[in-house]
Order: sequence, then C-alpha cells, then structure tokens
Amino acid sequence: EAQVTQNPRYLITVTGKKLTVTCSQNMNHEYMSWYRQDPGLGLRQIYYSMNVEVTDKGDVPEGYKVSRKEKRNFPLILESPSPNQTSLYFCASSLGPTAGANVLTFGAGSRLTVL
Amino acid sequence: AQKITQTQPGMFVQEKEAVTLDCTYDTSDPSYGLFWYKQPSSGEMIFLIYQGSYDQQNATEGRYSLNFQKARKSANLVISASQLGDSAMYFCAMSPPFGTPLVFGKGTRLSVIA
Repeated sequence: EAQVTQNPRYLITVTGKKLTVTCSQNMNHEYMSWYRQDPGLGLRQIYYSMNVEVTDKGDVPEGYKVSRKEKRNFPLILESPSPNQTSLYFCASSLGPTAGANVLTFGAGSRLTVL
Repeated sequence: AQKITQTQPGMFVQEKEAVTLDCTYDTSDPSYGLFWYKQPSSGEMIFLIYQGSYDQQNATEGRYSLNFQKARKSANLVISASQLGDSAMYFCAMSPPFGTPLVFGKGTRLSVIA
C-alpha cells in the first residue's frame, strides 16, 4: 500500500530533550515536506526537500532540523524542544514540485507535547 | 509570495443540501495549482480535488467540484448532497509552478446537520 509512515504518533517530552520524528514513504516520491498544524493557524511549512541531500527552509524552520540522506526518509529533528513546539506534525510527499505533480500524500500525523 | 484565504471559520449545512466553501488566493505566478483537502476528526489529511491554473474546465470528483474563477482569484469547493460524513475541517491550498511546497489556508470547519 502506498503510504507515508511517521513515528511516533504521540509523544510527550520535556523541554530540552532531543527528539526525532521519523518519516518514510514507499512511493519513490522525490519531494518531501514537514508541516505543523496549530489551532487557528492551519498548516505551516517547516522544511522541505526536493531530492536527496537537497533541503530548504519553509515558513517556520526555527528550532527544527531535517536531513535527506535517502530518498524514502525525511526525519524531523528537534534538538532542544520547547513548549511552543507543542503541535500536530505532518510529513508529506509528492511526485515532484510542479503544480500538477504536487498532490501531497500525508502521513497520519504526530502529536507532540513538550512540557 | 503565495497566500490562501479562507474567510469562513465554520459553517453548518443540512444533510442532502449543497454547500460552498470559499477560498481566495493571491499569486503573481501565471502557472499554479489549487487543491482541497479534508481533515476529519480522526486527523488524517485526505486529498479531494485539484485544479490547474490553465485548466479550461472546473475540476469535479464525485460530489466535489471546484468553482474556479481565475479573474477573481477564487477556488471555491462545492459539495453536493452533503452527508454526515462530510463533517470535517477543509483546507484550500496552492502550489506555485516549481519549488516550494503547498501553501495552506487556515481551514473551514463544516458541520453537517441531520
């Protein structure tokens, strides 16, 4: 089944404790991205990647890191989480960045709480 | 920069009635894509419909249609014959011609009443 898998689905952590949210897709998509969703703010881009070893910042990259060492994986790293990073996170992938190819397939979401 | 505006935070519709969810966008690019996604209470994001800026006809997918008015920069979603299962958050999104990921609006919460 074609899908984007993210883990963990739920996580409660404490301020400053490094964590990684993994994301993997099995569709050979070139394009992957991370969003965070907060009430009243919709989905906001954190980082995206157009291909292996190519990443770029979205609208809200502060406090996050990403890497794209393999085509299928795009982990999101919070080096020192803070309470304002409490959010619902989505990983997504698509065939490519052009308008018609950019139909995103989303992961199920990861709900992160930072105490 | 691209921007999506959804002015209706919440809407109610009677079951079996049609409903229109508004979306306006702003871009200076001549080539772009417009998308609608549904997010039920379970949280997943479900792709509904896509419209390309050069498409001559409005996109349709089953009970969903996209009312694309290019001059007005609007891309409203029309759901015909609403069902209780249509109760969800709906997001309008735009893709520029190349490069950056989709830009999303803040969403409209639709509630279908029996």
